[in-house]
Amino acid sequence: EADIYQTPRYLVIGTGKKITLECSQTMGHDKMYWYQQDPGMELHLIHYSYGVNSTEKGDLSSESTVSRIRTEHFPLTLESARPSHTSQYLCASSEEAGPETQYFGPGTRLLVL
Amino acid sequence: AQTVTQSQPEMSVQEAETVTLSCTYDTSESNYYLFWYKQPPSRQMILVIRQEAYKQQNATENRFSVNFQKAAKSFSLKISDSQLGDTAMYFCATSGSRLTFGEGTQLTVNP
Repeated sequence: EADIYQTPRYLVIGTGKKITLECSQTMGHDKMYWYQQDPGMELHLIHYSYGVNSTEKGDLSSESTVSRIRTEHFPLTLESARPSHTSQYLCASSEEAGPETQYFGPGTRLLVL
Repeated sequence: AQTVTQSQPEMSVQEAETVTLSCTYDTSESNYYLFWYKQPPSRQMILVIRQEAYKQQNATENRFSVNFQKAAKSFSLKISDSQLGDTAMYFCATSGSRLTFGEGTQLTVNP
């Protein structure tokens, strides 16, 4: 099993609150990703990073922001949560070289009331 | 641009039988890889099998094998001797500059 961790696993929060979803990996991977996934649906890439101080927006527009100050850490922040942000957020990482096999964290299920 | 299409939203199979999940893709990349990922209910997404596009030989991993038809841009997954633990959402994906996922196929293995 891959060494990639996400906290919290579940979060219920009120509208307007600021939240940070944590993601860390111990594999030394340069590339990291955030996906948004509604239950039983496909994954949508919202952010990615190819290394420290490198972040890019993904295919799906998101009001969240990310930072990559350390190789192993890739947190996602929502400044003001809204019910439309309710979803599952998956973090993944992959090696710089090779066939882009991504290793996924367990996910954070977010419910915004 | 890359696209991945899984035309079977749901499938079911009896335990110990064989099932095939379909996937078609389109890519402008000359060097790419194809993947099948498995997402069990409330559990972590894990890689099932991977295929390098430049290899003609189909990849196999124990009970899982693929039928890779490059000209047809088809990449199906065959699961032999299905087990209850195979119940999951299965995603087909292709990588070029980034990983692109299909819509997923929910597979249920019935006892």
